This record gives sequence, C-alpha cells and structure tokens, in this order.
Amino acid sequence: SAVISQKPSRDICQRGTSLTIQCQVDSQVTMMFWYRQQPGQSLTLIATANQGSEATYESGFVIDKFPISRPNLTFSTLTVSNMSPEDSSIYLCSVPRQGAIYNEQFFGPGTRLTVL
Amino acid sequence: GQQLNQSPQSMFIQEGEDVSMNCTSSSIFNTWLWYKQDPGEGPVLLIALYKAGELTSNGRLTAQFGITRKDSFLNISASIPSDVGIYFCAGQLTSGTYKYIFGTGTRLKVLA
Repeated sequence: SAVISQKPSRDICQRGTSLTIQCQVDSQVTMMFWYRQQPGQSLTLIATANQGSEATYESGFVIDKFPISRPNLTFSTLTVSNMSPEDSSIYLCSVPRQGAIYNEQFFGPGTRLTVL
Repeated sequence: GQQLNQSPQSMFIQEGEDVSMNCTSSSIFNTWLWYKQDPGEGPVLLIALYKAGELTSNGRLTAQFGITRKDSFLNISASIPSDVGIYFCAGQLTSGTYKYIFGTGTRLKVLA
C-alpha cells in the first residue's frame, strides 16, 4: 500500500480563520479523497481531488468552504475556510490501491482540527 | 450522509474472548472493507471482501461478505489488549466507483 502523510497532524485555530491541510503520497495515484470525521462519529466523504480538473464534491460540501488543490499525482491540499467550532473534526485523505478499480482505500494519519 | 448500521456500538470483553460485530443495510454492496482506527490515527485496512458469501481471514480476524450482499461480519478470535480501538465497516455501492459508505463504528475495549 502507498505511504500517505498529512500536515499538520493537529492544529488549534480561531473562529473565522482558514487552515490548509496537505496530503502527500509516496507514489503517483489517479485519485485522492478527502474525508471528515466529526468527534465520535464515522467518516464522511467530502470530495474527490482530481488532477488537472476541479474537485468533485459530495452533497453537503461546497468548494467555497472546502477548496481543494491537486497540482500533481502525489499531492493534494484541502482548505477549511472561515472556520467555526462545528468544523472541529479529523480530516483524512485517502487513496485507492493502484491497479485496482477503487476497491481498496488507504488512509493517511489524519489532521485533528480544533476550532475555538 | 448515509451510514451503515453497525453493531454493537461498543463492547467490553475479557482478554482471550472472541468478538463478533456486523454491519447491515437495506442496500446491496459490491465490496466490503473492514478498518481499525486507533486513537489519534487514521483507519487501517484489515480485510477486503469482494464476493457474496466470501470468507476471508487475516490472522485472528475473519470477515464474511453476507450472502444477500446487504451485510458483513467481522470476528476476532482470542482477543488481546492491542485489539482495543474502533472498527469500521465500509460498503461500496457501485462497482468501479469510489463511493463508500462507512458504518457507525464498534468501539472495542479489552479487559486484561
């Protein structure tokens, strides 16, 4: 499986500010995904980061709030904009196993965000 | 968003006991994945299931893809303290897509 790293691992931010989370993979991957895990909850897909085109957002998530960049096949960023305490969550990136058709997904270590 | 019904929600067991948990849905799935998440970490993939009825093992873990394709089961035999964590199932609704729905999680605590 690919080695996935995320930065920062955790952060505490003030209401109204923005935070950009980075996801780096040690091999080229066609797709990268961003998930949110609210406290004590399960995982919810935010969007798919597509290289060379705009991200594809899931219902309930919009580009203005969660802008995503995918400049190459090993890197993506997720920005949480104009944060409020409700944005306090773990944000995870994931990638599919290469050579498979999206069957298995592997996750990074996550970024734990607390908004005051 | 949608979530899979996962049970039990939490369980306390004695070290050495066997553990069973399951995910159920009214929808049919093409792939089931089982993950374990430790505190402060991302989920780690344990087992992947691709066919109805499939039974797959990974060490002390055994998972099954329900014959109706609407459920999946995970068993842990002879539990040890490091089995502590949250276990999630994830179901893929449509083959060839990235659309996974995650279960609500089972929090496992092992008493030594």
